[in-house]
Amino acid sequence: QAVVIQEPSLTVSPGGTVTLTCGSSTGAVTSGHYPYWFQQKPGQAPRTLIHDTSNKRSWTPARFSGSLLGEKAALTLSGAQPEDEADYYCLLSYGDVWVFGGGTTLTVL
Amino acid sequence: EVQLVESGGDLLQPGGSLRLSCAASGFMFSSYWMHWVRQVPGKGLIWVSRISGDGYRTIYSDSVKGRFTISRDNAKSTVYLQISGLRVDDTAVYFCARSTPGMGPVDWGQGTLLTVSS
Repeated sequence: QAVVIQEPSLTVSPGGTVTLTCGSSTGAVTSGHYPYWFQQKPGQAPRTLIHDTSNKRSWTPARFSGSLLGEKAALTLSGAQPEDEADYYCLLSYGDVWVFGGGTTLTVL
Repeated sequence: EVQLVESGGDLLQPGGSLRLSCAASGFMFSSYWMHWVRQVPGKGLIWVSRISGDGYRTIYSDSVKGRFTISRDNAKSTVYLQISGLRVDDTAVYFCARSTPGMGPVDWGQGTLLTVSS
């Protein structure tokens, strides 16, 4: 089974910009992996931010955006807010099977 | 409003079995595929399984294949996850989530905690 690779942790300053990435052990991440991004805060269920590479949910703040960057999927946060401190997970499709990355803990400091 | 409410989590001994449930409301249940995702407390998310809207197509992660069975009852708007041969490493919060056909989970329940311990 494929391994999905994320940075374990990142730090961003309030108001700053940070990019989280999502790679695959099988090679380049493409739109055919339908990348998803989720935010999870302690004690809460995950919340979907981005689906199918770059599509936002109705509740996704405008400061979040999804894209493909080189051979990876990327989640960019522009203008970080204290409430963006959370764990972020990407999810990739491998045919019928889905695989989560290990998650990135984002600190806003 | 879309609502997904999981239940059935418990404290059980290794070797046993149980069935988790996820009751859905606020949408046309049979039109959506359903997923189960688990999370060991303090660890990451693990995708477990998904079932098509008609219940005929199911798939599992390699780590649970053979012990987990996903099913659904569209008349009751409920999806189930049957777990047999419980192991200590099945201890996790189990989330259900819905998706459009063929896609990933987008709307999530709050989860139910299964603890397996002797």
